Amino acid sequence: GAVVSQHPSRVICKSGTSVKIECRSLDFQATTMFWYRQFPKQSLMLMATSNEGSKATYEQGVEKDKFLINHASLTLSTLTVTSAHPEDSSFYICSAGQGSYEQYFGPGTRLTVT
Amino acid sequence: KNEVEQSPQNLTAQEGEFITINCSYSVGISALHWLQQHPGGGIVSLFMLSSGKKKHGRLIATINIQEKHSSLHITASHPRDSAVYICAVRWAGNQFYFGTGTSLTVIP
Repeated sequence: GAVVSQHPSRVICKSGTSVKIECRSLDFQATTMFWYRQFPKQSLMLMATSNEGSKATYEQGVEKDKFLINHASLTLSTLTVTSAHPEDSSFYICSAGQGSYEQYFGPGTRLTVT
Repeated sequence: KNEVEQSPQNLTAQEGEFITINCSYSVGISALHWLQQHPGGGIVSLFMLSSGKKKHGRLIATINIQEKHSSLHITASHPRDSAVYICAVRWAGNQFYFGTGTSLTVIP
């Protein structure tokens, strides 16, 4: 099956700094990528939808200026958490697909903000 | 309102038992995924279903479109099957909506 990777798998950063998470489709071109986050003991929640070459669409309650998403190529989308705070500590997951076809999930990135 | 409900929330089984996890959703979907999340957090996609039944090893997934219901079965369960199993459905727009997950513990 198709493979989606995320980097880093774990990151610890200090409050106020920014951290970038990469999502890559390794063996296919992803026209659409989704970013999700999961707080402890909660379900995954969609943050934003990213289409290659266009601006991301953010879900209600997700600050677009804080969570910067770039989908500059058909194999890479990045999520940058700017001015991170401890409440941003979460598990961030991406999924990638080709339009209406199957979506493939990345393994996730655990962010801890101290 | 689009909803995804899973049952049970928690499940403990003896090694070797047959396990069933259920997922119900409120409106028509284009696809349903079963995901497995291990304690470290990483997610593995087990199945994608739009109709019928799929089998992979000891795992079987079924979906009934008319009843808006899917089941994940694990035959001859093993402690390494211990994980959280998540049902995810896809409506228009390709984004997924997730169930709250079923935490499975298989005891040796």
